[in-house]
Order: sequence, then C-alpha cells, then structure tokens
Amino acid sequence: DAGITQSPRYKITETGRQVTLMCHQTWSHSYMFWYRQDLGHGLRLIYYSAAADITDKGEVPDGYVVSRSKTENFPLTLESATRSQTSVYFCASSSGQPQHFGDGTRLSIL
Amino acid sequence: GDSVTQMEGPVTLSEEAFLTINCTYTATGYPSLFWYVQYPGEGLQLLLKATKADDKGSNKGFEATYRKETTSFHLEKGSVQVSDSAVYFCALSQNNAGNNRKLIWGLGTSLAVNP
Repeated sequence: DAGITQSPRYKITETGRQVTLMCHQTWSHSYMFWYRQDLGHGLRLIYYSAAADITDKGEVPDGYVVSRSKTENFPLTLESATRSQTSVYFCASSSGQPQHFGDGTRLSIL
Repeated sequence: GDSVTQMEGPVTLSEEAFLTINCTYTATGYPSLFWYVQYPGEGLQLLLKATKADDKGSNKGFEATYRKETTSFHLEKGSVQVSDSAVYFCALSQNNAGNNRKLIWGLGTSLAVNP
C-alpha cells in the first residue's frame, strides 16, 4: 500500500544501546523529516533530508544520526541511547506541502 | 525568527459546542499557514491550509481564515463531536526556495469533547 510506514511501533531498550528507527515511504517524495514529540515541547525537528544523500540538522540533532542512501528510506539511529531520548518519534515526507506523517515509534529507554 | 503561538490546552467541550483554538504567528513575508490534527495513537494529518492573506481553509466542518493584519489563523468549528477529540497543531511554512519545506510548529492544543 502507498504511504509512509515506521517500524517498530514500540521499542524498549537500555541506556547505552544503539537503536535504529526505520522510515519508508512509497510516494517518491524528495523531502523527509524526523521529529520527536514530547509533552510541553510539541514537535521538534531532529533531522531532515531534501533528497538522497542530502541531510541536514534540525533543532535537536545531538545524539542522533541519519542516512538516506535511497529516496524511500530515512533511518534514524540513536548511537548510544540516553533516558532523555525517551519519546515518540515521527517520520514525515513531502514533495512540497503538506507533510505526510507515519504513525510514530514510541521509544522507551530504561 | 519565525514562530507560532497557540492557546494552551486542554480544551474541554460538550458535544455540539462551538470551538475556537487561537493561533498567532510571527514571520517575515507571506508564509503559508496550516492546521494539522493528531488523533490518539496516530501521526499528524493535514486538516486545512491557507496560502495567502484572506484565504479561508476549510475541511470536515472546521474553518480558519488567514488574517495578515492580526497575524492570526484561528481554528473554528460550529458544532463539535466526540470524534473531534484530538490534538490540533498550527504551523507555518515560508514560501521560498531556501526553506527546505520545513514547518514551524505551535505546541499543540488538546481538545476533549464529552457526549
């Protein structure tokens, strides 16, 4: 089915572990985005990408790494997870406006 | 820099009540304005948009008018339903090539509608 999918939907891990959140879109949108959503902070942009092999930092990039070798995939990696990275993570894609969102990954770091 | 300010929630209403969620913005030039909605357990989805001053966006009974003189884009609905319970986000996007399609977001307003 066409759309944007995130996996996993839920993840529990421990501090210090590496974890990768996956995002896949079938529209061939050039732009992709990663956000985190926390109470009191709304949505904060972590990283975004304008095209394959082009990525740039958002508001809160520290502790995260992204790559985009193919247009349709935009994985987000937490290299060494910390409790402060417990959050709900959303991926989005667009060719202009609006942005289309996945259903999110709820990540808990113990 | 550009910013969006929304009224704080939560907002609690009875079914069939009138809804207003205030949104004001600070931006240079002529941004596009959006309302997104997030239902429980889901991602955000576009509710409505307006791309120039005095435009009215509308969808599912919701409306918002782009008011440049008051830098506002308030969301309204004449008669809310329980199914409208969600979090509503106001956002803006600058219409220039250097924007990289980024959105500037408000913090969201939670709406609960009771039967």
